[in-house]
Amino acid sequence: SAVISQKPSRDICQRGTSLTIQCQVDSQVTMMFWYRQQPGQSLTLIATANQGSEATYESGFVIDKFPISRPNLTFSTLTVSNMSPEDSSIYLCSVERNTKNSYEQYFGPGTRLTVT
Amino acid sequence: QKEVEQDPGPLSVPEGAIVSLNCTYSNSAFQYFMWYRQYSRKGPELLMYTYSSGNKEDGRFTAQVDKSSKYISLFIRDSQPSDSATYLCAMSDNYGQNFVFGPGTRLSVLP
Repeated sequence: SAVISQKPSRDICQRGTSLTIQCQVDSQVTMMFWYRQQPGQSLTLIATANQGSEATYESGFVIDKFPISRPNLTFSTLTVSNMSPEDSSIYLCSVERNTKNSYEQYFGPGTRLTVT
Repeated sequence: QKEVEQDPGPLSVPEGAIVSLNCTYSNSAFQYFMWYRQYSRKGPELLMYTYSSGNKEDGRFTAQVDKSSKYISLFIRDSQPSDSATYLCAMSDNYGQNFVFGPGTRLSVLP
């Protein structure tokens, strides 16, 4: 498994501001992912963050709105820019662990964001 | 048709009941199948993992995969109030690509 921490755990932000969420893993991983989970909904993948390359964004998500950094193999940040109330959600990072016959994802505890 | 479908519930059962949670999917390329448990205000926790078809048992939990029917199940025996959570199925193809989550089923086990 993997131990993943996220900061902040929660925040309340004003419309138009930006928030950077940090994700720290206890060991080196190649692939890290950022998800959004709106209240009562399942997980929506925002982007895949690989170290040493630009993040790959899913349809409906753009770099200007959700810039991502991946400076090393244990850390990543997601910024939610120019926030609006529609960005209120839980943001989760996850990592993929590949073993023989296994591709597993492990999740951080999430960052609960409220935009007023 | 959504790629992965799951009954959203909520599902309420008495303590000690056998719970059956199910997902159907449409992409025949999926080879890896997972169940996650998510408690309120927590991140999803990997519960069970299965490769291709077959059964896997871990304590009170049994995961079944029927690739011919594109149907996966999670059974919980002797359910406990601590099992109350949202259960999400997830699956990916043979290279860990195209990782897709179901919408989740909210389970309440009543004491």
